[in-house]
Amino acid sequence: EVQVVESGGDIVQPGGSLRLSCAASGFTLGRYSVHWVRQAPGKGLVWVSRIHPDGIRIDYAGSVKGRFTVSRDNAKNTVYLQMNSLRAEDTAVYYCARDQGGEDDMWGQGTMVTVSS
Amino acid sequence: QSVLTQPPSASGTPGQRVTISCSGSSSNIESDYVCWYQQLPGTAPKVLIYKNDQRPSGVVDRFSGSKSGTSASLVISGLRSEDEADYYCAGWDGSVSGVVFGGGTKLTVL
Repeated sequence: EVQVVESGGDIVQPGGSLRLSCAASGFTLGRYSVHWVRQAPGKGLVWVSRIHPDGIRIDYAGSVKGRFTVSRDNAKNTVYLQMNSLRAEDTAVYYCARDQGGEDDMWGQGTMVTVSS
Repeated sequence: QSVLTQPPSASGTPGQRVTISCSGSSSNIESDYVCWYQQLPGTAPKVLIYKNDQRPSGVVDRFSGSKSGTSASLVISGLRSEDEADYYCAGWDGSVSGVVFGGGTKLTVL
């Protein structure tokens, strides 16, 4: 089955760290840009980051720049989101999306991150 | 406060035509493509329209998109009960070098 699956969500204390994974199956994730988008409970969609197929060109939202790092391991067909210095306002469902806004746009089911003491 | 502005709610009766607007600026909608998502309760967003007016395979032609200047629109024709969902517009914004989303429109089928 062609899909992307997020994992790694958890409950973490403020100031803590977490690494999310976005694993692809049924296709080569390395051919696509991959975006991370989050959605706080009951709120709208907010873009977090984008990594290009080359793994070098990366963009971040201002709210996470310097705290979050995106990387990819094409051998594992996986993209990662390393989240450091987490804050309560980072609490959300985190989605990864292949080719966001394009013809091959596809999202995973999301993984929940809760930042709370 | 979202960069792209959508009405928070819309409604219609079965069979009606509903239009959801998305207002932006020269740095986003006017200068790049717009896409539209449908998010059913408890599920991930699903793309309905990409590149302003293109439908992915599998999306019915009751959904159509358009763009003019700094605004875009999603039209849903022949409204059905299963269309009840949240709808989001999105596009690249060159001034922030990132994707911007509308705040979402909750569509109710009366």
